[in-house]
Amino acid sequence: KNEVEQSPQNLTAQEGEFITINCSYSVGISALHWLQQHPGGGIVSLFMLSSGKKKHGRLIATINIQEKHSSLHITASHPRDSAVYICAVSEYNNDMRFGAGTRLTVKP
Amino acid sequence: DTEVTQTPKHLVMGMTNKKSLKCEQHMGHRAMYWYKQKAKKPPELMFVYSYEKLSINESVPSRFSPECPNSSLLNLHLHALQPEDSALYLCASTGDSYEQYFGPGTRLTVT
Repeated sequence: KNEVEQSPQNLTAQEGEFITINCSYSVGISALHWLQQHPGGGIVSLFMLSSGKKKHGRLIATINIQEKHSSLHITASHPRDSAVYICAVSEYNNDMRFGAGTRLTVKP
Repeated sequence: DTEVTQTPKHLVMGMTNKKSLKCEQHMGHRAMYWYKQKAKKPPELMFVYSYEKLSINESVPSRFSPECPNSSLLNLHLHALQPEDSALYLCASTGDSYEQYFGPGTRLTVT
């Protein structure tokens, strides 16, 4: 079993829809990261969370430490949001564990 | 400066070549990482340097040799690679906040 599980693997949405991507982890962590990668592109860090909730524009990330679960929400989705979203966790020894990623396609 | 830079952007090398990838950050970050990413897969951690000392080596073959000459620089020396080593090689750094800053990557093709 992977230490970081993401769902769904693939997601297709219509422009304007509300999107949720989920992440569960099984290890002790110092922080959880939501990353975005466009095709052929580098990785951009969207959020780094150790508790609670963070919001940046149309993106919201939440984490429940007790349940070892995090969600990434995108409100009013747009075709430019199409990318792979990766959940990753930092362990206290600097190790990083990655989920398999969620490939999001937003259609106009 | 909140940027991680990587050079070169693209590299094509033969199986007998020796080449190096370079990564640089000037954010005073304490930890630097090398990742390998194959197409449509998440990054795989290769090495972590913490305070210029190798702290994690994820059982990477010896044909990959990391080096951290100082707190701003991270190199990955490549020798006698195989075609299956073709991938995107990403560098990242992190400070005390644990936030990861990624470089744009080097796309490596081994022929």
